[in-house]
Amino acid sequence: KQEVTQIPAALSVPEGENLVLNCSFTDSAIYNLQWFRQDPGKGLTSLLLIQSSQREQTSGRLNASLDKSSGRSTLYIAASQPGDSATYLCAVRPRIVPYSGGYQKVTFGIGTKLQVIP
Amino acid sequence: DAGVIQSPRHEVTEMGQEVTLRCKPISGHDYLFWYRQTMMRGLELLIYFNNNVPIDDSGMPEDRFSAKMPNASFSTLKIQPSEPRDSAVYFCASGPVTGLGSNTDTQYFGPGTRLTVL
Repeated sequence: KQEVTQIPAALSVPEGENLVLNCSFTDSAIYNLQWFRQDPGKGLTSLLLIQSSQREQTSGRLNASLDKSSGRSTLYIAASQPGDSATYLCAVRPRIVPYSGGYQKVTFGIGTKLQVIP
Repeated sequence: DAGVIQSPRHEVTEMGQEVTLRCKPISGHDYLFWYRQTMMRGLELLIYFNNNVPIDDSGMPEDRFSAKMPNASFSTLKIQPSEPRDSAVYFCASGPVTGLGSNTDTQYFGPGTRLTVL
C-alpha cells in the first residue's frame, strides 16, 4: 500500500525567503506525482504535475522535482510571498493497470501548512 | 466553466439524520470522485465514477454511506444515519483522465461541503 509523507507538517517563514517542501512515498511504481495547494475553506488547486518519466516541472516561482528511485519529491518556492500561505499537498498516482478503467487511486499526503510572514 | 459545484457548503445536523451532499462536475469530464478530508486522516478517496458508473467504492467507510450518479452532470453522496464521526469536509472532484500521460490528467476539486454532525 502506497504511503505518502510530508514533512514538516507546518512551516513559517519570513517574506522573501526561498523554501522547500518535502514529500516522500513508499512505492516507486508511480504514474505521476502532483502538488496541490489548498486555501482555508476551499478545494484543492493543482500546481504542478510530474510524470514518472520526468525529473522536474516549473511554473513561475515554483519548481517541483521527482526522484522516483529514492521515493522523494520536493516543491521549491522562490522569493516567498504572503499570498503563498496555504496548505500544500503532494499526491501520488500508481502505474496504470491494463483494463482497470484507466485510473488508479491517488494517495494524498496530509500536507504542509505554510505561513509566509510579511 | 463555473468549475465543480457542490452544495450545500455547510451542513449541521443531528446524529441519526440523513445527509445528502450534491455535486455538479465540470461538463465533459468522464470521472467523478468523492473525497473526505479530516485533520487526522487527511484526504481519503471514498468512491469514483467513470461515465456515471461506480468503479471503486472500497473507500466508502460503511453501509451508511452511498453514492449515485444518475447522469453526467449530477452526483450525490448520502449518509444515513449520520454519526458525529462523519464530521469532515467532503470534496467532489472531476477530471478527464486521459491515461495518456499528459498534464490534463488531473482532478478539479469543488469547494467542499463542511459537515458537522452533533
